[in-house]
Amino acid sequence: QVQLQQWGAGLLKPSETLSLTCAVYGGSFSGYYWSWIRQPPGKGLEWIGEINHSGSTNYNPSLKSRVSISVDTSQNQFSLKLSSVTAADTAVYYCARGRIAPAAPVKGSTRFDPWGQGTLVTVSS
Amino acid sequence: QSALTQPASVSGSPGQSITISCTGTSSDVGSYNLVSWYQQHPGKAPKLMIYEGNKRPSGVSNRFSGSKSGNTASLTISGLQADDEADYYCCSYAGSSRVFGGGTKLTVL
Repeated sequence: QVQLQQWGAGLLKPSETLSLTCAVYGGSFSGYYWSWIRQPPGKGLEWIGEINHSGSTNYNPSLKSRVSISVDTSQNQFSLKLSSVTAADTAVYYCARGRIAPAAPVKGSTRFDPWGQGTLVTVSS
Repeated sequence: QSALTQPASVSGSPGQSITISCTGTSSDVGSYNLVSWYQQHPGKAPKLMIYEGNKRPSGVSNRFSGSKSGNTASLTISGLQADDEADYYCCSYAGSSRVFGGGTKLTVL
């Protein structure tokens, strides 16, 4: 059964770069999109972006200018970098396995399962 | 893209059925049968309950079902149980992005 374990710095100052990594255990790394999703305290979910094992990425247009997702297939890990953070980026960040819909003529993931445990990242001066 | 629209809260008594709506646009929910639903208990990561509109992952109770009409998707939970009390989020494929709903808090009375 696949499990995702994530880690990274939990406290940042404004203008710094957020950096998180997610490791995948117990399952195939190829054939999926590996995603990042965030949730501000007390609020809803926001999709950040995703990457597949070949390095093909899709990003949320609203965050695209500040986001970079990379993959290390030798370690079955993928990482998120979000630059120039502000207080508005304070959130619990989740990694998740994005699954495709083979019969649908679309690019990228169409559902997320399973999810990592989440990492609270706080941006404060 | 704007977030999908969900009611802030719904409630029901044990054994009853409830339905949560998720309204989008012709660019997301209306264009694709690719809506998924997630259950989130407090302090926990979301869990996939429904995908591609009406499919259940292995292990999810058949008390959970999904449907879609036009730009609105719906999640129905029948035979409500205490453990169903949680936040529920819809999500739709939207071409270059994926868009979530604002979430619905389900209270089991």
